Amino acid sequence: KNQVEQSPQSLIILEGKNCTLQCNYTVSPFSNLRWYKQDTGRGPVSLTIMTFSENTKSNGRYTATLDADTKQSSLHITASQLSDSASYICVVSADQAGTALIFGKGTTLSVSS
Amino acid sequence: DTGVSQDPRHKITKRGQNVTFRCDPISEHNRLYWYRQTLGQGPEFLTYFQNEAQLEKSRLLSDRFSAERPKGSFSTLEIQRTEQGDSAMYLCASSLASGTINEKLFFGSGTQLSVL
Repeated sequence: KNQVEQSPQSLIILEGKNCTLQCNYTVSPFSNLRWYKQDTGRGPVSLTIMTFSENTKSNGRYTATLDADTKQSSLHITASQLSDSASYICVVSADQAGTALIFGKGTTLSVSS
Repeated sequence: DTGVSQDPRHKITKRGQNVTFRCDPISEHNRLYWYRQTLGQGPEFLTYFQNEAQLEKSRLLSDRFSAERPKGSFSTLEIQRTEQGDSAMYLCASSLASGTINEKLFFGSGTQLSVL
């Protein structure tokens, strides 16, 4: 069964600290892996998209890694800000279109001052 | 605003009533998707269009759900005879079919439905 598992479920960190969110997947075939940020009451916003051959991709203070052999990905947030408080969703795509996106349940990050 | 627009943002209805939601995609995008998201879960795919053609609808939750995109621009999602279990956030996303595996989806802010 195609699944995307994220950990931890929730996380609280102090402003300025770094954190790493984890994503394990069992999706086949594999097309790409995406990380989205979703603010409360808003739609998800794309952070990164990585294909099979990409190990690392950065978007500002966000760095995603992908190990296609172990089917694991991580999202590292550097120097966290209060505005980073959101849900971070890992999504694995089994084809090119958005019909086969398998969404994780997300990690809820709270950044406090 | 050139993003994906959804209307209304919030809808409260009584069980048994019909509701319709509208999505206006980014203007040059030819693909449009509908998802449903319940609290604490990731979005769940419902259906999608390429231009005006509905290419996948087998994952609509029941025959009470239907979607249209009559002119290949905006889309509507209708739920007939609403049930309390239909309460959720309904998200619309659009993309430009590029033939690459990095097709990027842009999501709207969603319509939050509450069925009383």
